[in-house]
Amino acid sequence: GQSLEQPSEVTAVEGAIVQINCTYQTSGFYGLSWYQQHDGGAPTFLSYNALDGLEETGRFSSFLSRSDSYGYLLLQELQMKDSASYFCAVRDRGSGNTGKLIFGQGTTLQVKP
Amino acid sequence: SAVISQKPSRDICQRGTSLTIQCQVDSQVTMMFWYRQQPGQSLTLIATANQGSEATYESGFVIDKFPISRPNLTFSTLTVSNMSPEDSSIYLCSVEDRGLLGELFFGSGTQLSVL
Repeated sequence: GQSLEQPSEVTAVEGAIVQINCTYQTSGFYGLSWYQQHDGGAPTFLSYNALDGLEETGRFSSFLSRSDSYGYLLLQELQMKDSASYFCAVRDRGSGNTGKLIFGQGTTLQVKP
Repeated sequence: SAVISQKPSRDICQRGTSLTIQCQVDSQVTMMFWYRQQPGQSLTLIATANQGSEATYESGFVIDKFPISRPNLTFSTLTVSNMSPEDSSIYLCSVEDRGLLGELFFGSGTQLSVL
């Protein structure tokens, strides 16, 4: 089976930097994804790490360490609109080359003025 | 990127009835995925729908309760059968981006309330 752990809530102020961690346990592993979901909205893709290291996309970066079964999402220059839930997700090797993703429980980020 | 139209966006249903949710994609895709998201919770995969074959259900979900159709490469339906209040949830269809592993596109979701 698979399991992913991430903090349930994080609070930060506008302009700050926040890191959301994700640890996972799977029987095999293809990669780690991150999704953002605003209240009442559908999840939207943020990033994907298949290899160790840092992937940067604008204000958002994602990091993966396969040896540590650990990754994080880094949000810089926080804006009020970044208040949302953030989910890490793994493509489990047992699912083969499919889009089947298993999601973590989500981290609610609240950005304060 | 794929554009997914999902309907209805919301519905209020009576216990014991069934609701069929439709999902239309603007391009042909091999697999479509149906997820459930209960209020404030994560996304749980219900089943994977391939065109021309039976859907593959995850543990805890059965075909009699959640029958799925996949008549072609751009369309799928999920039916929530014999509903109870415990089925109140958001149901989301999704497809995989062809060019990037790990990226799913989601429909806007169906918010279902069962009385």
